[in-house]
Amino acid sequence: DADVTQTPRNRITKTGKRIMLECSQTKGHDRMYWYRQDPGLGLRLIYYSFDVKDINKGEISDGYSVSRQAQAKFSLSLESAIPNQTALYFCATSDSGRLYNEQFFGPGTRLTVL
Amino acid sequence: DQQVKQNSPSLSVQEGRISILNCDYTNSMFDYFLWYKKYPAEGPTFLISISSIKDKNEDGRFTVFLNKSAKHLSLHIVPSQPGDSAVYFCAASGSGNQFYFGTGTSLTVIP
Repeated sequence: DADVTQTPRNRITKTGKRIMLECSQTKGHDRMYWYRQDPGLGLRLIYYSFDVKDINKGEISDGYSVSRQAQAKFSLSLESAIPNQTALYFCATSDSGRLYNEQFFGPGTRLTVL
Repeated sequence: DQQVKQNSPSLSVQEGRISILNCDYTNSMFDYFLWYKKYPAEGPTFLISISSIKDKNEDGRFTVFLNKSAKHLSLHIVPSQPGDSAVYFCAASGSGNQFYFGTGTSLTVIP
């Protein structure tokens, strides 16, 4: 079945370390997104990409960078992790051809920065 | 500043009764609205949507109502089932490109 996968599912790291979260999809969708979820704050958009050559900042891009290596792959990097980046991170995809652009989410990566 | 708000963090209803989840938004440019459902340890899954040209959209037990003048939408689940117990997020967009999510409402359906 078509899927959105995220690796790793859980990661504990230390302040100052560089971390990469990876997302792959087999849905054939052109659009990909990275969100973080924090208690009481819902889902907030970090970066999004409408195709391989298109990268856009979301609401909270500071401290993050992304790479769209292929249509099916979108990675999120924390260049120097800090404790307030501890959160649940979700990758999502969507098909620009769909009316409502509804997004399909991966299972999430729980990141803890000590 | 939160552009989409879900003011009820939690809601409990009896099985078979109606569940009503509410969502308010502040940006009058929003014209697409979606509801997602999230189970623990899983990503959100798309549930139902509505555009600003409609005031109601129905899909089985789920109905979304949109009141543009009040900048308010609601999700009705009738009848509620225990499997509906989850966190529900509303999301809004002004262009279909970037969505803004609410903080979520945790629904518990009591058997």
